[in-house]
Amino acid sequence: AQSVTQLDSQVPVFEEAPVELRCNYSSSVSVYLFWYVQYPNQGLQLLLKYLSGSTLVKGINGFEAEFNKSQTSFHLRKPSVHISDTAEYFCAVSEAGNTPLVFGKGTRLSVIA
Amino acid sequence: NAGVTQTPKFRVLKTGQSMTLLCAQDMNHEYMYWYRQDPGMGLRLIHYSVGEGTTAKGEVPDGYNVSRLKKQNFLLGLESAAPSQTSVYFCASRRTALNTEAFFGQGTRLTVV
Repeated sequence: AQSVTQLDSQVPVFEEAPVELRCNYSSSVSVYLFWYVQYPNQGLQLLLKYLSGSTLVKGINGFEAEFNKSQTSFHLRKPSVHISDTAEYFCAVSEAGNTPLVFGKGTRLSVIA
Repeated sequence: NAGVTQTPKFRVLKTGQSMTLLCAQDMNHEYMYWYRQDPGMGLRLIHYSVGEGTTAKGEVPDGYNVSRLKKQNFLLGLESAAPSQTSVYFCASRRTALNTEAFFGQGTRLTVV
């Protein structure tokens, strides 16, 4: 069965600095990978997804992620963060076939002015 | 353009009481999911459904039951609430399991005292 590890539970970063949120997964078959963002007291919103094709995926709000099959990673990056990026970020994986989305435990990004 | 709607948004229960959480989606999605979110635990799958009339257990099914009598609705029941079921519950739907993202409701904050 698939699983997801988000390596950092909290990431503080200064405004306009770059950030990387790390995600590793385990699966023995083809996977689909997702990053979701959750703002305080809200539901989850899709940031970006990798289904197939180019390993560099661009999402909303200037975020991008790179799928690395050999490293089984799907790290999320942004070159310059804003205060409004403060939120919790979840990496999720779904194996090809009838499998539900499995989520990591989340990374809380705090952007400091 | 409602998407996924959860009812109620907040609820306080006494230990031993029962209740039903309703999830409704208007996107004609086949797959629906119930997750619970607890601090530091990410989202954990409770039950899911791959179509009308079907249900399956997720990672943490004990103490919960579900029904999917209509394609657009997915009900989560607590027969005898326990303080350990204090959590934020999220419903999600997905067109199919193949290369599509899940859409989330806004959550139900449940407190069991």
